[in-house]
Amino acid sequence: EAQVTQNPRYLITVTGKKLTVTCSQNMNHEYMSWYRQDPGLGLRQIYYSMNVEVTDKGDVPEGYKVSRKEKRNFPLILESPSPNQTSLYFCASSPAGPRTEAFFGQGTRLTVV
Amino acid sequence: QKEVEQNSGPLSVPEGAIASLNCTYSDRVSQSFFWYRQYSGKSPELIMSIYSNGDKEDGRFTAQLNKASQYVSLLIRDSQPSDSATYLCATKGGTSYGKLTFGQGTILTVHP
Repeated sequence: EAQVTQNPRYLITVTGKKLTVTCSQNMNHEYMSWYRQDPGLGLRQIYYSMNVEVTDKGDVPEGYKVSRKEKRNFPLILESPSPNQTSLYFCASSPAGPRTEAFFGQGTRLTVV
Repeated sequence: QKEVEQNSGPLSVPEGAIASLNCTYSDRVSQSFFWYRQYSGKSPELIMSIYSNGDKEDGRFTAQLNKASQYVSLLIRDSQPSDSATYLCATKGGTSYGKLTFGQGTILTVHP
């Protein structure tokens, strides 16, 4: 089944404890992105990648890191999480090109206390 | 100015009515326009895409695009309670070529 898989689905952590949210897609898509969603603010892009070893900052990159060493994986790293990073996170992938649809993972609800 | 703006809502319509959702965008070179539906706590799912000026119909849904006015809309005919969700407008293929940019979403409630 074609899908984007995020793990974990739910995570509660403490301020400053490094964490990684994994994202993997099995559709051979070139583009991958991370978004956070907060009430009233819609989906805001954190980072995106148009191919292996190519990443770009989105609208809210502060406090996050990403890497794209393999085409299928695009992990999101929070080196020192803070409470303002409490949010619902989505990973998405799409084929290359300006007219392609994005497919989303199931989401990761992160709480930083 | 936000890159993609949607009417703030929430929007409430009676069952069977037409729901009209609107979106404006600022990047004139945007090439693709999408409407996603998102149920509470779930991931967004694509319901319509449109690339050329005019109307595009798919079942009860019609997307309308006016590039001169930088305006996109979604009409839902014969609205059903199951249409109650947040609707997200998104653009792609603009100045930041591969980036998909979303509006803040409009909450739609269809009441019986």
